[in-house]
Amino acid sequence: DAGVIQSPRHEVTEMGQEVTLRCKPISGHDYLFWYRQTMMRGLELLIYFNNNVPIDDSGMPEDRFSAKMPNASFSTLKIQPSEPRDSAVYFCASSFGTGGYGYTFGSGTRLTVV
Amino acid sequence: AQKVTQAQTEISVVEKEDVTLDCVYETRDTTYYLFWYKQPPSGELVFLIRRNSFDEQNEISGRYSWNFQKSTSSFNFTITASQVVDSAVYFCALSLGSGADGLTFGKGTHLIIQP
Repeated sequence: DAGVIQSPRHEVTEMGQEVTLRCKPISGHDYLFWYRQTMMRGLELLIYFNNNVPIDDSGMPEDRFSAKMPNASFSTLKIQPSEPRDSAVYFCASSFGTGGYGYTFGSGTRLTVV
Repeated sequence: AQKVTQAQTEISVVEKEDVTLDCVYETRDTTYYLFWYKQPPSGELVFLIRRNSFDEQNEISGRYSWNFQKSTSSFNFTITASQVVDSAVYFCALSLGSGADGLTFGKGTHLIIQP
């Protein structure tokens, strides 16, 4: 298996632009998570899905952030409009079942908003 | 809500020394899982170990060992005979048996192994 695949690896955009981050989970995994990593706040959960349905989006910082999972093999995290404080590394992770089977992380997308 | 504390922000040792990274967790659930991840300078999160709350046996994998003590809510990680390649940020994390809230991470410990 190729693991969790995220794209792009790096994204530089100007403030106010729309940014879309993409994630392909491991086939057969029924949970998908989006995390954000910053120096100040560490790794924080933004949203997670179970069987393509958003379960908890309480970590999404603002209405500018939205996430979708149209099918079991694809998810997007969108920021519109982007701001410099959104600069961070965004990780996608997937798992089979809850907790006990472990979580596999993608390589992350490093977002820089200038 | 659950919480994971890694009190050591940064540790620096000389190669071949043993080093222990501390992790203390808080949860009211009786079923939970504890994890350690390694984040090398390249940035990816590498899974090291998973432990469930009902298994307090210590584990050893090569130079790595883990000590899980429910009495002190700790899940410490020891690297024996450290090597430069061990230099990374190490994260301890917890997830509930229900799966709710995904992984809760500690702030991480930056481990520097000097040659």
